[in-house]
Amino acid sequence: DTEVTQTPKHLVMGMTNKKSLKCEQHMGHRAMYWYKQKAKKPPELMFVYSYEKLSINESVPSRFSPECPNSSLLNLHLHALQPEDSALYLCASSPSRGVSYEQYFGPGTRLTVT
Amino acid sequence: QKEVEQDPGPLSVPEGAIVSLNCTYSNSAFQYFMWYRQYSRKGPELLMYTYSSGNKEDGRFTAQVDKSSKYISLFIRDSQPSDSATYLCAPGANSKLTFGKGITLSVRP
Repeated sequence: DTEVTQTPKHLVMGMTNKKSLKCEQHMGHRAMYWYKQKAKKPPELMFVYSYEKLSINESVPSRFSPECPNSSLLNLHLHALQPEDSALYLCASSPSRGVSYEQYFGPGTRLTVT
Repeated sequence: QKEVEQDPGPLSVPEGAIVSLNCTYSNSAFQYFMWYRQYSRKGPELLMYTYSSGNKEDGRFTAQVDKSSKYISLFIRDSQPSDSATYLCAPGANSKLTFGKGITLSVRP
């Protein structure tokens, strides 16, 4: 299995809602990433997990809360989001050894905050 | 100056053309130079990468890095309509990728 899967594909939520995005990979990768991508912009790194521990937080607001329950799963919990948080949220994974820049992306969750 | 600058687009070429996509960067710490392809409404797909300076070829694609001039290139030979996508250069350092803005390529049949 060489895929990164993400659910849901689309999500519409109000500013007072709590929702979660889910990412799964079965490639044995031990590093997983969350990126945010606005329309016609490059992906922006949010969080990096290495061996299920948070290793990088790019000063992301606390309304985004990542979680890595095990080596295959990555969640992003969302609470009290703003309309400007509407974007494509991408999950990626990479092998733990060798080139960690060799990242494999999922299809993304398109989030709309109303 | 941004860490990674990518030639602005969009770029439209006829089928069969040779395409040259270019980026410049300022961070001397970059050692890995990745190219990602992103189709509309999809996640980026790793196309190929090089380590340090030099060339790497994979089928119709050639990646080239010149660290002395901090210049990154991707060449596509015999371009096909299926190559129509946004191409992102992404050099890496300190366990992070820094993406260029991307250039949208359209290959006309």
